Amino acid sequence: AQSVSQHNHHVILSEAASLELGCNYSYGGTVNLFWYVQYPGQHLQLLLKYFSGDPLVKGIKGFEAEFIKSKFSFNLRKPSVQWSDTAEYFCAVNPHNNNDMRFGAGTRLTVKP
Amino acid sequence: EAQVTQNPRYLITVTGKKLTVTCSQNMNHEYMSWYRQDPGLGLRQIYYSMNVEVTDKGDVPEGYKVSRKEKRNFPLILESPSPNQTSLYFCASSPDRNGIYGYTFGSGTRLTVV
Repeated sequence: AQSVSQHNHHVILSEAASLELGCNYSYGGTVNLFWYVQYPGQHLQLLLKYFSGDPLVKGIKGFEAEFIKSKFSFNLRKPSVQWSDTAEYFCAVNPHNNNDMRFGAGTRLTVKP
Repeated sequence: EAQVTQNPRYLITVTGKKLTVTCSQNMNHEYMSWYRQDPGLGLRQIYYSMNVEVTDKGDVPEGYKVSRKEKRNFPLILESPSPNQTSLYFCASSPDRNGIYGYTFGSGTRLTVV
């Protein structure tokens, strides 16, 4: 079964700093890739997703992610974080044509005002 | 409003007392799933359902049961809860069997078993 690794457990940034959260997966076939965000006390919400085509995908709230197939990576980026981005971020991988979504352990982002 | 509704939001119970967490979606989604979220472990799948009367085990099914008698409902049953089932539970649904659109999650149920 595939697995998903998120390298950072907790990231602390100041407002306006740039963000990059790492995500690597282990699966040899075609995959669909997702980033979810969980604000404190809330449920997970879809931030962005990749199916095919342009490997640079843009999501809500200024987030983007780049799929690098050769590195099995799907890192999340934002040029300038805000205090309201404080949340937990989950990377998820779903094999193409097979609903077996796997989540990473999550990265907690704290943005200091 | 399109949503996944879970009840209750919070539940404290005692070891061995059967409980059910309900999950209902109003989007006519085929696929539904239950996850538990524990610190440092992310989300782990308990059970999932591809359609009515079709359910299957996820990664951590021990101690749980589910049913899918109707498309919209997917209750999670703990026949004899134990303290190691203390966790945050999420129900999720997706329109298709392949999950390419991502999941819609419920608001979560925080369960404490004492």
